[in-house]
Amino acid sequence: ETGVTQTPRHLVMGMTNKKSLKCEQHLGHNAMYWYKQSAKKPLELMFVYNFKEQTENNSVPSRFSPECPNSSHLFLHLHTLQPEDSALYLCASSQVYTYSNQPQHFGDGTRLSIL
Amino acid sequence: GESVGLHLPTLSVQEGDNSIINCAYSNSASDYFIWYKQESGKGPQFIIDIRSNMDKRQGQRVTVLLNKTVKHLSLQIAATQPGDSAVYFCAQTGANNLFFGTGTRLTVIP
Repeated sequence: ETGVTQTPRHLVMGMTNKKSLKCEQHLGHNAMYWYKQSAKKPLELMFVYNFKEQTENNSVPSRFSPECPNSSHLFLHLHTLQPEDSALYLCASSQVYTYSNQPQHFGDGTRLSIL
Repeated sequence: GESVGLHLPTLSVQEGDNSIINCAYSNSASDYFIWYKQESGKGPQFIIDIRSNMDKRQGQRVTVLLNKTVKHLSLQIAATQPGDSAVYFCAQTGANNLFFGTGTRLTVIP
């Protein structure tokens, strides 16, 4: 039990579909993150939310649309994805948005496959 | 740009032996470093962290060593067990980001 829960665990979708990934954290944290993990590559930061406000968008294509309704929930809305978007999408949280003195805690990810 | 890398992509150790996993980094201004463990089908799990004002920190069966002179970070696992088999990667802080390495796959041989 990591304290960060992601659903679904696996998702297969066509390029024209619309789907959403969900993340919920039970740690009382105020910052939440979306990462993309591809084989043989380091984790790529996509979005950061701090106290429900988006603080970073790491040049992510507009076919990925994040939503953070409150500090405990984070969504990633997907539409018109490309085959190269197939990856493991990880959600993380930390007490506040800072990289300098606290670790981020990760969920187990959603394995996304684009047909 | 900044980079974080590991010296070996794979490491095999005998059960009961000690494991040492290494990581090199490029940004001498980084002040915080983290080791994560990622088992198959799971997300990264926090193991241990260290700030730049320290050169050693110990946890339960794990020790992290930081050598700022040569910009090198290592994770030592004592008495390695089958449950330690996973991918281990380090992360360091940058100006406004956390940079992750690509990982070392540790295989424990029974």
